[in-house]
Amino acid sequence: SFELTQPLSVSVSLGQVARITCSGEALPKRFAYWYQQKPGRFPVLVIYKDSERPSGIPERFSGSSSGTKATLTISGVQAEDEADYYCQSADSSGAHAIFGGGTKLTVL
Amino acid sequence: EVQLLESGGGLIQPGVSLRLSCAASGFTFSNHAMSWVRQPPGKGLEWVSVINNSGHRTYYADSVKGRFTISRDDATSTLYLQMNSLRAEDTGFYYCATVPFGVFTNYYFDHWGPGTLVTVSS
Repeated sequence: SFELTQPLSVSVSLGQVARITCSGEALPKRFAYWYQQKPGRFPVLVIYKDSERPSGIPERFSGSSSGTKATLTISGVQAEDEADYYCQSADSSGAHAIFGGGTKLTVL
Repeated sequence: EVQLLESGGGLIQPGVSLRLSCAASGFTFSNHAMSWVRQPPGKGLEWVSVINNSGHRTYYADSVKGRFTISRDDATSTLYLQMNSLRAEDTGFYYCATVPFGVFTNYYFDHWGPGTLVTVSS
């Protein structure tokens, strides 16, 4: 079965660069998507198709993908970026969505 | 502005059935595939099901296949999730989400509702 693996937690100092990784065998053939979820809130799409940013998402959010690893990068991390981040892709059929386990980003 | 509002959640006993609804507005509902995603309290996201824009194609996670049925009513812009034989492990927040196109292959979710909580417990 296809799985996506994320680190449980990432810590970064205010204003520094945060990188959250997502690993999976399906990623060379599938796009990666990233969602931000703050406590008590629904998820918000922050990156689609590996590196595209939806309107309204700050430019400090960027994405990349190479081989079996996708990366969400937050440049100049702000306190408001503290949240859980989930990567998402699809299985071999493309019809079953898959989520990573989520990464808690802590801003120091 | 896209708005999604789920309803129908609550506290129910194992084995019972429940139907969730998601009222959509602010976009042309019939042009979009729609999906349900759930999240046990304090845990991660789990995709549940997806339906294409015509309603003729549906897919389910293995954990709910045969027990849950997704459907849509384009006349009222409403998405449904019929959940039968509910188990304790079905407990969680259930979110409806839009897919930015009508069909799905390697799709994603560009808008989400606030969710409705389903608690399965005796």
